[in-house]
Amino acid sequence: DAGVIQSPRHEVTEMGQEVTLRCKPISGHNSLFWYRQTMMRGLELLIYFNNNVPIDDSGMPEDRFSAKMPNASFSTLKIQPSEPRDSAVYFCASRATGGNSPLHFGNGTRLTVT
Amino acid sequence: AQSVTQLDSQVPVFEEAPVELRCNYSSSVSVYLFWYVQYPNQGLQLLLKYLSGSTLVKGINGFEAEFNKSQTSFHLRKPSVHISDTAEYFCAVQEGDSNYQLIWGAGTKLIIKP
Repeated sequence: DAGVIQSPRHEVTEMGQEVTLRCKPISGHNSLFWYRQTMMRGLELLIYFNNNVPIDDSGMPEDRFSAKMPNASFSTLKIQPSEPRDSAVYFCASRATGGNSPLHFGNGTRLTVT
Repeated sequence: AQSVTQLDSQVPVFEEAPVELRCNYSSSVSVYLFWYVQYPNQGLQLLLKYLSGSTLVKGINGFEAEFNKSQTSFHLRKPSVHISDTAEYFCAVQEGDSNYQLIWGAGTKLIIKP
């Protein structure tokens, strides 16, 4: 099992540019989460998918952020246009069926917006 | 859970000494409890979990935690730490099977002094 795979590991971009973060969950997991981690706010849930359907996007900061899950093995988080305050580590996590199954995290994408 | 409190942002401890990382939560319903560990530049990984049954839970790397319902606590302990335990530790709470949300503590950085 390769675990949750995120790409890229690091992204440096200029303000105003579009950024796309990618995630491949663990095969067979039907829940997918996008988190953002910063020193100031800790771990924040951005969006939650269940069976490829967005269930809760209340954590998405604003309309500049969007997420898709076109199939069970791929998800993207897009920021357009990016701003310096979006600089953070973005994590994707997946979970198997079963309400108390633990989350499995990817190694994250460190985004720096200059 | 309405909140999860990790009172110590940092815990320095000498190598081979015991350590306890504290976690308290507030909730009026049954909960599932988790400890995750984050090594530098990595995602979070599950250390241990309490779902039901015995209140003393053993995890990976020699860690254990005890669920205390009356005190709403789930403190993490290790009898003898190693330099490789240097990491940030997160306590998380989920309220029941149907609630996908994890409420996260702010994290505790464990600093091992040689």
